Amino acid sequence: RKEVEQDPGPFNVPEGATVAFNCTYSNSASQSFFWYRQDCRKEPKLLMSVYSSGNEDGRFTAQLNRASQYISLLIRDSKLSDSATYLCVVNIPGNQFYFGTGTSLTVIP
Amino acid sequence: DTAVSQTPKYLVTQMGNDKSIKCEQNLGHDTMYWYKQDSKKFLKIMFSYNNKELIINETVPNRFSPKSPDKAHLNLHINSLELGDSAVYFCASRVTGRDTEAFFGQGTRLTVV
Repeated sequence: RKEVEQDPGPFNVPEGATVAFNCTYSNSASQSFFWYRQDCRKEPKLLMSVYSSGNEDGRFTAQLNRASQYISLLIRDSKLSDSATYLCVVNIPGNQFYFGTGTSLTVIP
Repeated sequence: DTAVSQTPKYLVTQMGNDKSIKCEQNLGHDTMYWYKQDSKKFLKIMFSYNNKELIINETVPNRFSPKSPDKAHLNLHINSLELGDSAVYFCASRVTGRDTEAFFGQGTRLTVV
């Protein structure tokens, strides 16, 4: 069983739409959580960390539900430049940094 | 001022060869990783290493071996390359800790022919 599961999509949404991604993790001892973004043929880069209280960065909102072991990312007012693959990441004890399979997003004009 | 750098960026080689990919980070991080991203785009952790321990993903063939001459470097050596080894290999580093992010190199695209 994978440590982190994501719906791979693809998600194709019009500009201005709101889109949400979910991710589940299997290890209840997971310590920290992140969303990364990966553009085509590029390395993954941090989008935002995910805190227990939830956090927001402009159009992006991340939520963590420890009881249900899932993480979400909400993107409001989608822009063409948001088109990318979004990767859920979980840090488990032992310094292991596990990635989900990624969710592909295409924002359409 | 690249934080995590990998060389080479592209590597094309024949089956059966032995090759190495180098990774260096200038961030002062104490943990480094190697990931493999296959054609399905899944980023699979291969190794994590800090100055105390090496953790190897059990699914990684023993043809793959990480070598760390010092804290700033974690090279990946691959023996007897196979067609299925073709992928993009990413090096990453971070400070050991709960909420610290990982920084990635630009990746090495390995093609085995």
